[in-house]
Amino acid sequence: EAGVTQFPSHSVIEKGQTVTLRCDPISGHDNLYWYRRVMGKEIKFLLHFVKESKQDESGMPNNRFLAERTGGTYSTLKVQPAELEDSGVYFCASSRGPNTEAFFGQGTRLTVV
Amino acid sequence: LAKTTQPISMDSYEGQEVNITCSHNNIATNDYITWYQQFPSQGPRFIIQGYKTKVTNEVASLFIPADRKSSTLSLPRVSLSDTAVYYCPAGTGAGSYQLTFGKGTKLSVIP
Repeated sequence: EAGVTQFPSHSVIEKGQTVTLRCDPISGHDNLYWYRRVMGKEIKFLLHFVKESKQDESGMPNNRFLAERTGGTYSTLKVQPAELEDSGVYFCASSRGPNTEAFFGQGTRLTVV
Repeated sequence: LAKTTQPISMDSYEGQEVNITCSHNNIATNDYITWYQQFPSQGPRFIIQGYKTKVTNEVASLFIPADRKSSTLSLPRVSLSDTAVYYCPAGTGAGSYQLTFGKGTKLSVIP
């Protein structure tokens, strides 16, 4: 069974540019989550999809961040425009149910210069 | 917001049993207790999950007392490859898997 796949693995962009991160969850997992760790801090929850619906987006930092999951399969997280403080590692995870184990991807390292 | 407390770091010799305890005083009634392992440049990897009493799988055991305000992850006979950061993130229950990760416990296994 393929795991959670994220790409790119690393992205370097200039401040003000737009970046789109993609996450392919494990097939059959309705629940998809985005987390991030910025500047050596703790991993923080961003949002939770159930299929294509946003179940909880309380962790999204501001309106420069837009997450989508059209069709309930893969998800994208767009940052527009990117700021220096957005640098960090963005993790995606998926699970079959809300209280079943969540599998994390390798993460996308975002560097904004 | 639910929060957990763990030791910052631990050292252990190869072949020993390692027990890492996590305090989760504000755990909600319907929260599960979950432990993750993370290696550098990788995402957290699920180890074990439980609700109460004891759970055992092929890599670890999880001990949860009756009051559920703490849990202990037990790794039998650790090897060098078990060197990693271990997390016991707090959940929010209510059908949401919003995990709150703390700083984790950095386990160093020494030959």
